[in-house]
Amino acid sequence: DTGVSQDPRHKITKRGQNVTFRCDPISEHNRLYWYRQTLGQGPEFLTYFQNEAQLEKSRLLSDRFSAERPKGSFSTLEIQRTEQGDSAMYLCASSLIGVGPYNEQFFGPGTRLTVL
Amino acid sequence: SQQGEEDPQALSIQEGENATMNCSYKTSINNLQWYRQNSGRGLVHLILIRSNEREKHSGRLRVTLDTSKKSSSLLITASRAADTASYFCATVARMDSSYKLIFGSGTRLLVRP
Repeated sequence: DTGVSQDPRHKITKRGQNVTFRCDPISEHNRLYWYRQTLGQGPEFLTYFQNEAQLEKSRLLSDRFSAERPKGSFSTLEIQRTEQGDSAMYLCASSLIGVGPYNEQFFGPGTRLTVL
Repeated sequence: SQQGEEDPQALSIQEGENATMNCSYKTSINNLQWYRQNSGRGLVHLILIRSNEREKHSGRLRVTLDTSKKSSSLLITASRAADTASYFCATVARMDSSYKLIFGSGTRLLVRP
């Protein structure tokens, strides 16, 4: 257990529905990252926050995706009008920037999304 | 798209043997990290090597880095059945203040008891 939790662990939804995932990082960590991992591939960066500010978004993050970190603690990732291509594992990671230059990231267990 | 490629894609060995996995990447890096992932689970950080380092050890793990060839290798010595997992290399690009990780496609290691 890395100290990063994600909820739910599994989500099955029908195409066109909206889904929301939650990530609770390690409490003192000021950076939070979202990655997506499809079967047989490595994770791909989606977006990251420093405190409550969303500082970078990947081109993978279409207009149907939105992420928030309202108080600089937990984060949510919402997918609107889900498509079958959204089926993947969504991973959250947190880190403490400023402690050493190398920014080790601690990953949560992931939320596996299946869109039928 | 992924930055790196790992080789081999899959590796099957007998318990007690050594396992070597290779990773190639494309851009200049700040550091390179190796992660392990058990089936359907999150990633566990194994080891980090800085761009100015050539070799690093941690327990049964040995990592090498060759920045001139843009490649790295992970050696697991005296493998155990519990080492069965997918292994990913991930790079942090030089001058990228986001420190986001760019992952390779992974090597699936099976250690037979």
